[in-house]
Amino acid sequence: RKEVEQDPGPFNVPEGATVAFNCTYSNSASQSFFWYRQDCRKEPKLLMSVYSSGNEDGRFTAQLNRASQYISLLIRDSKLSDSATYLCVVISGSSNTGKLIFGQGTTLQVKP
Amino acid sequence: NAGVMQNPRHLVRRRGQEARLRCSPMKGHSHVYWYRQLPEEGLKFMVYLQKENIIDESGMPKERFSAEFPKEGPSILRIQQVVRGDSAAYFCASSAGGAGYTFGSGTRLTVV
Repeated sequence: RKEVEQDPGPFNVPEGATVAFNCTYSNSASQSFFWYRQDCRKEPKLLMSVYSSGNEDGRFTAQLNRASQYISLLIRDSKLSDSATYLCVVISGSSNTGKLIFGQGTTLQVKP
Repeated sequence: NAGVMQNPRHLVRRRGQEARLRCSPMKGHSHVYWYRQLPEEGLKFMVYLQKENIIDESGMPKERFSAEFPKEGPSILRIQQVVRGDSAAYFCASSAGGAGYTFGSGTRLTVV
């Protein structure tokens, strides 16, 4: 079983739509969680950290459910520029090296 | 303050040759991580280094791959006797030891 699992998509949505991505992780000791964005196989860039209380950054909302080992990302009012691959990332709780464990990514295509 | 610098951006090698990928971390960052992204896959952790030390190499293939981060100069990921399956994007990330990671633009290795 992969340590971080995501639905690869693609998700094709019209502009203005709300879209949600989900992610599950297998290591219950994991401590830190993030969503990264990757455009056209360029370097991944941090979109937002994910906290147990849930957090919001503009049109983006991230949620963490530790009991279910489940992370979500909600994008409201989708823009064309949101088209990218969204990577669910966990810092492995089994080590103190801080290495990032990536899901395979979910591809979003926002259409006009 | 330059970000993480990786070079070359693109590297073409014939089967059996050696590939050397370089990564200069951000100023003030002493932790370096190497990741590999195969076509249509997510990023996979390879190795974590601090100056002159390999901290975690659990993601490195057992043969042909090595990494170093000398006291002076960039971190080097070395692949000996490359094969077609080594064709991938190799990303380097650096941090100051906390959870703030910065990725380089990557090196695209093509083995012909």
